[in-house]
Amino acid sequence: QLVLTQSPSASASLGASVKLTCTLSSGYSIYAIAWHQQQPEKGPRYLMTVNSDGSHIKGDGIPDRFSGSSSGSERYLTISSLQSEDEADYYCQTWGTAILVFGGGTKLTVL
Amino acid sequence: EVQLVESGGGLVQPGGSLRLSCAASGFTFSDYWMIWVRQAPGKGLEWVANIKPDGSDKYFVDSVKGRFTISRDNAKNSLYLQMSSLGAEDTAVYYCASGGQQLVPGSLGYWGQGTLVTVSS
Repeated sequence: QLVLTQSPSASASLGASVKLTCTLSSGYSIYAIAWHQQQPEKGPRYLMTVNSDGSHIKGDGIPDRFSGSSSGSERYLTISSLQSEDEADYYCQTWGTAILVFGGGTKLTVL
Repeated sequence: EVQLVESGGGLVQPGGSLRLSCAASGFTFSDYWMIWVRQAPGKGLEWVANIKPDGSDKYFVDSVKGRFTISRDNAKNSLYLQMSSLGAEDTAVYYCASGGQQLVPGSLGYWGQGTLVTVSS
């Protein structure tokens, strides 16, 4: 079964970097995933798609501070030079032939 | 500029029906999968339904099968979600999103601002 697992929370200091992880369930390690950001009281915003080879394609206007990478069944979102507006929920998302799957989301706190 | 604007949300009684709409602009609507995603209060994102670019195939999460219908009008650049037999568990903000152009739904590249559906007596 296609499942995405994320840690519920993460924190990092202003100006630092943080790496969020999304893990694909067994047997699905070649799948690409997308990262979405949801700031408080706002709708989600697409950040990027991360492929199994680590390449990533960013959405319109996404700053260079956001990057993606991959290792095995894990997909990462790295945010560098953290800013206060990066405090948000981050969701990973993937897809099968017809269905879509979301991870449970990671709440990022910027200290 | 891509825009997705949802409408049609509101307060509905248990067992009632509601039709959501999503008006799309700024891209070739008929080329893309379109998706409905919902978010219950304080919860994460949940995929609800999606529809192929030409409307030929539709897919639903198990919890809404037989109760919700998704449709699109490519001439009007519009997406719809007809919801019936609504229960408290359907209370959520409903988002419209665009997917990929390929044979599978793909990444959700653009999102609307959402419309709130509240099921309560």
